[in-house]
Amino acid sequence: AQTVTQSQPEMSVQEAETVTLSCTYDTSESDYYLFWYKQPPSRQMILVIRQEAYKQQNATENRFSVNFQKAAKSFSLKISDSQLGDAAMYFCARDNLFFGTGTRLTVIP
Amino acid sequence: KAGVTQTPRYLIKTRGQQVTLSCSPISGHRSVSWYQQTPGQGLQFLFEYFSETQRNKGNFPGRFSGRQFSNSRSEMNVSTLELGDSALYLCASSRDRANYGYTFGSGTRLTVV
Repeated sequence: AQTVTQSQPEMSVQEAETVTLSCTYDTSESDYYLFWYKQPPSRQMILVIRQEAYKQQNATENRFSVNFQKAAKSFSLKISDSQLGDAAMYFCARDNLFFGTGTRLTVIP
Repeated sequence: KAGVTQTPRYLIKTRGQQVTLSCSPISGHRSVSWYQQTPGQGLQFLFEYFSETQRNKGNFPGRFSGRQFSNSRSEMNVSTLELGDSALYLCASSRDRANYGYTFGSGTRLTVV
């Protein structure tokens, strides 16, 4: 099955702390792309970070980084120094074809 | 630069009617994809167009169709609307689906009554 699973429907983090959102996926392909998107309450989806499966190095974008474990088909997102503006739904996606059901992140002041 | 523009923002239709949604991608983007977002099913891929050709299609009935014009603008059409078609329809564009992340529009909220 070509699925993407986000097992945490909701997460919360204290402002300035670090939080990790989990994502696992299923595929029989060796080359693919993984993405994390953020959807704030205003609803426009925003690309957070992307990872090319053939690159072993984990992608990083400022406070956002991923832990990509290809053998385990795991692709978690780490948000460091969480800010109030990070509060949103976060979606994991593979090849922009398959999306997880999302994790709602709450940031506590 | 201008983002992805979707029109209309909101739409109310009656069961059995048909509807056309429009999407203008970012200038230079040739790949346009459509998604249906519902609370129960999450985000589901409808189809992708690249240079006026449908490159990929999700698992939706034939009532859902789309097209892309030479200027990369895209439309999707839903015929014989059902109550279950009520959803947020998102359009996204990219230079190329696989290599770049998508830029999404704000969506069209369709309500079928």
